[in-house]
Amino acid sequence: DTAVSQTPKYLVTQMGNDKSIKCEQNLGHDTMYWYKQDSKKFLKIMFSYNNKELIINETVPNRFSPKSPDKAHLNLHINSLELGDSAVYFCASSPYGLNTEAFFGQGTRLTVV
Amino acid sequence: TQLLEQSPQFLSIQEGENLTVYCNSSSVFSSLQWYRQEPGEGPVLLVTVVTGGEVKKLKRLTFQFGDARKDSSLHITAAQPGDTGLYLCAGAVYGNKLVFGAGTILRVKS
Repeated sequence: DTAVSQTPKYLVTQMGNDKSIKCEQNLGHDTMYWYKQDSKKFLKIMFSYNNKELIINETVPNRFSPKSPDKAHLNLHINSLELGDSAVYFCASSPYGLNTEAFFGQGTRLTVV
Repeated sequence: TQLLEQSPQFLSIQEGENLTVYCNSSSVFSSLQWYRQEPGEGPVLLVTVVTGGEVKKLKRLTFQFGDARKDSSLHITAAQPGDTGLYLCAGAVYGNKLVFGAGTILRVKS
């Protein structure tokens, strides 16, 4: 029983392309996030949603657009991919709100070539 | 400038040794969490500490939250190769988001 699942696990694409990463959680949590982990393993929040509503947008370029069709899903669409977008993207969810423990998906390793 | 400073950044030890990882900040946190991340996986929550001075034990792992709720430590007794991984602390600033430290990469050699 996967709690937070995201697809795909690996994504290799060319500069300029548009791609999406999907995330679903079956934990019944109200809060979901997208995090970016860079090559130095630093984990930084990108977006946070609570009950389908955007709560946090951490100075992320407009090329990144999250969408939450319902509180169990939070997808991430990236337009015009750049080399610097290469990283591991994690979806996560929390049971009690923004600053409580997070449950992470397995990550999507995005490589832009 | 990172809100949470973790040290050391990298630790390589022999099986059976003890170690301590530190997480420090000038900010006060409503709670602090420790996660462990293995290669190719997402971080997994180990513990949450909430009360200043709190000590929690998880088998050979001991977590402590500073009295002022600005720092925390993770101590591992008799480390085993299975403890190898990236250890992340994350602090919850009152009413705000979760911020992560840069992590400590632990390698335990057999």
